Amino acid sequence: GENVEQHPSTLSVQEGDSAVIKCTYSDSASNYFPWYKQELGKRPQLIIDIRSNVGEKKDQRIAVTLNKTAKHFSLHITETQPEDSAVYFCAATISRTNAGGTSYGKLTFGQGTILTVHP
Amino acid sequence: DVKVTQSSRYLVKRTGEKVFLECVQDMDHENMFWYRQDPGLGLRLIYFSYDVKMKEKGDIPEGYSVSREKKERFSLILESASTNQTSMYLCASSTRVANEKLFFGSGTQLSVL
Repeated sequence: GENVEQHPSTLSVQEGDSAVIKCTYSDSASNYFPWYKQELGKRPQLIIDIRSNVGEKKDQRIAVTLNKTAKHFSLHITETQPEDSAVYFCAATISRTNAGGTSYGKLTFGQGTILTVHP
Repeated sequence: DVKVTQSSRYLVKRTGEKVFLECVQDMDHENMFWYRQDPGLGLRLIYFSYDVKMKEKGDIPEGYSVSREKKERFSLILESASTNQTSMYLCASSTRVANEKLFFGSGTQLSVL
């Protein structure tokens, strides 16, 4: 099955700096790569995702890049703010759609990165 | 707004007890999932269900079972709780059309003594 490795396990930055979290996956058939953010004591929430037909996707201060050849993808946060402090999880899956339009696929998550942004 | 509700936020049980963790979603989602979250190990899939009365094993099903008698409810069962099942348990749901986006519950922190 799919295996996802995430690094670093902890990351500490100063407010305004950039933060980068990297993940590698094992199954070359994986085609969907989401990132979830979990603030302290709260539920994980999807913040950005990318599919294998694109190499980069941006949403304001966050971006995700994908290198299919090397089987790795990364989360980039620019101009970090204290409210970015959280645990970030990457994930990968093989997303398939059948003839009826039903999409299915189960996510395999990385180990998580604790990001701390110091004011 | 999607709401995924887990019945207990904190639970303390004794070794050998049968434990039920309940999850209810109110958005008519077809897919439901149970994950456990442990520091340094991320989120690991225990069981999932794509339809009523349907279940499939995830990556770590040993020691667990599930029940899905109604579309909105997905229960995780620990047949005989053990100390190594002390963990945070997260339920999630998603639609069949865009199933990859998971909506999580708040989690149940289970301690087995």
